[in-house]
Order: sequence, then structure tokens, then C-alpha cells
Amino acid sequence: RKEVEQDPGPFNVPEGATVAFNCTYSNSASQSFFWYRQDCRKEPKLLMSVYSSGNEDGRFTAQLNRASQYISLLIRDSKLSDSATYLCVVLYGNNRLAFGKGNQVVVIP
Amino acid sequence: DTEVTQTPKHLVMGMTNKKSLKCEQHMGHRAMYWYKQKAKKPPELMFVYSYEKLSINESVPSRFSPECPNSSLLNLHLHALQPEDSALYLCASSGGRATNEKLFFGSGTQLSVL
Repeated sequence: RKEVEQDPGPFNVPEGATVAFNCTYSNSASQSFFWYRQDCRKEPKLLMSVYSSGNEDGRFTAQLNRASQYISLLIRDSKLSDSATYLCVVLYGNNRLAFGKGNQVVVIP
Repeated sequence: DTEVTQTPKHLVMGMTNKKSLKCEQHMGHRAMYWYKQKAKKPPELMFVYSYEKLSINESVPSRFSPECPNSSLLNLHLHALQPEDSALYLCASSGGRATNEKLFFGSGTQLSVL
């Protein structure tokens, strides 16, 4: 079983719609969780950290479910500029991070 | 300053060439990383330096040689590469007081090996 699993998609989303996807992780000792956004041929950029209580940043909401070992990302009122790959990243000990394959989101006008 | 700077942005090299990738950060981060990323794949960890010492080498071939001259700089020396080594090479850092374990990436070097 892979450390971090994501459905690569693509997720085709009409502009203005809501899209949500999950990421599952295998190691229950995982310490920290992040969502990164990556545009084509660019570097990953931190979108948001994910906290146990859930957190929101504008149109983006992240949730963590430790019991079921998954994190989620929800994007409301999708914009064309939200088209990107969203990488789930899980931190273990010793500075070791595990990346999911990413969820590719395509927002359609 | 929340920036990781990588040079060069693009590099084309032959299989007999020797070249180096450079990375610099001035955020006081204690850990620096090299990742390799192929198209439509997630980044793959190559090396981690923690407090200027190599702490993780993910069984990377010896034709890749990392170097950490000081806490702000990280190099990746390349020699006798193969065409399959063509990829985006990303440097990252983490572990400052304010940023904790969040990873900050440089813009990468797009490497083509002919």
C-alpha cells in the first residue's frame, strides 16, 4: 500500500461549482499534513496546512480525519485560476515527507 | 524573505558533462532537500541535509553528488548523467522558527540530458 494515495482525476469542474477530494495515508504516526498546489512545469506551493479541527482559507477548506486516516480539500466557487494539481503531503519523523500523486483539477468556463 | 532561489532555471547537458545545480535560502531553515520530479508524477526525494549534515540519501546513484557548503547553500553536482535523468530538479527548505516543518520550494531547474 502506498504511503499517500490520491485519485489523480482529472476533476473537471464547472466554473463556480464546488469540488472536493480526499487523500488517504497509511502511517498512523503521521505528524503533519499539507495541501500543495502545483501548476504545470512550476514548483509546488503551499496552499494550506491541515489541522485536526479543520481549517478554512477563503474558498478552501481542509479537514483531517485521523481515525480513518484521510485528509480532504474542498474548493468552493471554483475559479478558472484554480486549475492546477493539488498535492497531498504527509510528514513523518526525521524530515521525511510523503507526496501523493496529486489531484488534477480543471475548471471549465 | 520567504524565498528559495535555484539556478540555473534550465540546463541542457551531454552525458559526459559535469555541471552543478545551486540552491540558496536566507530564511534560517535548518533542513534542505533535493527532489526530482518527472512529468505528471509527484516529487521524489533524493537527499536531505539537516544542520548541514547529510541525513537522508534515498539510494540515489553516485552520478548525483550533493554538497552543503553552509546553512544557506545547497548544491547538486552532476556527472555522467543518463537521458532518463532528465527531469525537474527541485530544492526545498524547512524548519525555521516561524515556518516549522512547512516545505518551501525553489522554482526548480529543468534538466535535459542528451
